[in-house]
Amino acid sequence: NAGVTQTPKFRVLKTGQSMTLLCAQDMNHEYMYWYRQDPGMGLRLIHYSVGEGTTAKGEVPDGYNVSRLKKQNFLLGLESAAPSQTSVYFCASSEGGNTEAFFGQGTRLTVV
Amino acid sequence: AQSVTQLGSHVSVSEGALVLLRCNYSSSVPPYLFWYVQYPNQGLQLLLKYTTGATLVKGINGFEAEFKKSETSFHLTKPSAHMSDAAEYFCAVRDPPDTGRRALTFGSGTRLQVQP
Repeated sequence: NAGVTQTPKFRVLKTGQSMTLLCAQDMNHEYMYWYRQDPGMGLRLIHYSVGEGTTAKGEVPDGYNVSRLKKQNFLLGLESAAPSQTSVYFCASSEGGNTEAFFGQGTRLTVV
Repeated sequence: AQSVTQLGSHVSVSEGALVLLRCNYSSSVPPYLFWYVQYPNQGLQLLLKYTTGATLVKGINGFEAEFKKSETSFHLTKPSAHMSDAAEYFCAVRDPPDTGRRALTFGSGTRLQVQP
């Protein structure tokens, strides 16, 4: 049981380039999330999804887009990367209710 | 809006000493509260959670936390620190049910160092 898998694990982008981060979960969870982690700021919610075909903005959505075409996958896109998007990105999934969220191993992204 | 405050971005203890990591929350409804641990270059792992019922919650690796509504606190403790406890710890509160998204709001984290 792999849980939540993120690809890639590391990436360096030049300013203005685009990329997509992939998150896959094998727990049949309805809820999926993308967070970014920055030093001293904890994790902040970028976008989330409450089910296949649905997405919504979190607290820091600017510069990102997401898609949830299949229940098990949640994609995070950067159309034109900026140095301010240098961060560690975590995907998480949850059944909802009072259950916890399960996290992937993270993607460390550097924009130069 | 919900929020979480973790007092102390860095805590250092000696091996065998008591570990106390502080967390205070703000929530408009009875909260669901979580503690996660993050080891270097890894994802977040659930330590323990409080949803309803007993206010003293036991988790993995000998950690426990007590929900105190009157103090809006959910402090994490461990009686005797081990070198392997060195990590970053995050307190989090779940969104109220009526928001629909059920996301977590995190504190800024506390890095625990354990001295030999």
